[in-house]
Amino acid sequence: QVQLQESGPGLVKPSQTLSLTCTVSGGSISSGGYYWSWIRQPAGKGLEWIGRIYTTGSTNYNPSLKSRVTISVDTSKNQFSLKLSSVTAADTAVYYCARESLMVRGVIFYYFDYWGQGTLVTVSS
Amino acid sequence: SYVLTQPPSVSVAPGKTARITCGGNNIGSQSVHWYQQKPGQAPVLVIYYDSDRPSGIPERFSGSNSGNTATLTISRVEAGDEADYYCQVWDSRSDLVVFGGGTKLTVL
Repeated sequence: QVQLQESGPGLVKPSQTLSLTCTVSGGSISSGGYYWSWIRQPAGKGLEWIGRIYTTGSTNYNPSLKSRVTISVDTSKNQFSLKLSSVTAADTAVYYCARESLMVRGVIFYYFDYWGQGTLVTVSS
Repeated sequence: SYVLTQPPSVSVAPGKTARITCGGNNIGSQSVHWYQQKPGQAPVLVIYYDSDRPSGIPERFSGSNSGNTATLTISRVEAGDEADYYCQVWDSRSDLVVFGGGTKLTVL
């Protein structure tokens, strides 16, 4: 059973960089056919996809956050990480890491099959 | 960018059928996935590839997708189904993940 666990500071000051790590257990992050994603959810609001990384290091980012986001992977530690720079109060949210599985049934598609429990990050001085 | 539109709320009596829609331009050509999120918990996949159920998801949950609307149907609704539901697609043209705004299902 694959498990994902987010870790990192729960409080970040405005203008600083938010840094989170997701540790994957029960499976190798190097296995093909999976993307590793970050998703966030402000209190009382919907899900916002931040971006994803493949085991090769290839990334895709939400255009609305692209200028501030970096997602990286450390296969030796079975971890992937999120950095979000120049944060403001609007970046306060629960941050989830998730595995996105590839499936081919005539067409290619991806869906999120495993999620971390989420971690609350508050941006405040 | 691709936009998915969901009604903010849907209410249903226990034992009845709930239908939650997800609108998008020619969404019928996309593969739609649905997630259930209960308060304080991470989302859980309930439908993938329009209508397939992961193991462990009751048969009461079903999905369909055609034209400009995808629909999550929950039959014989139970109190435990009360949650927020999100639709999601992968927009292959932009290679981006898109979520709908979410629908709060209230069991009366």
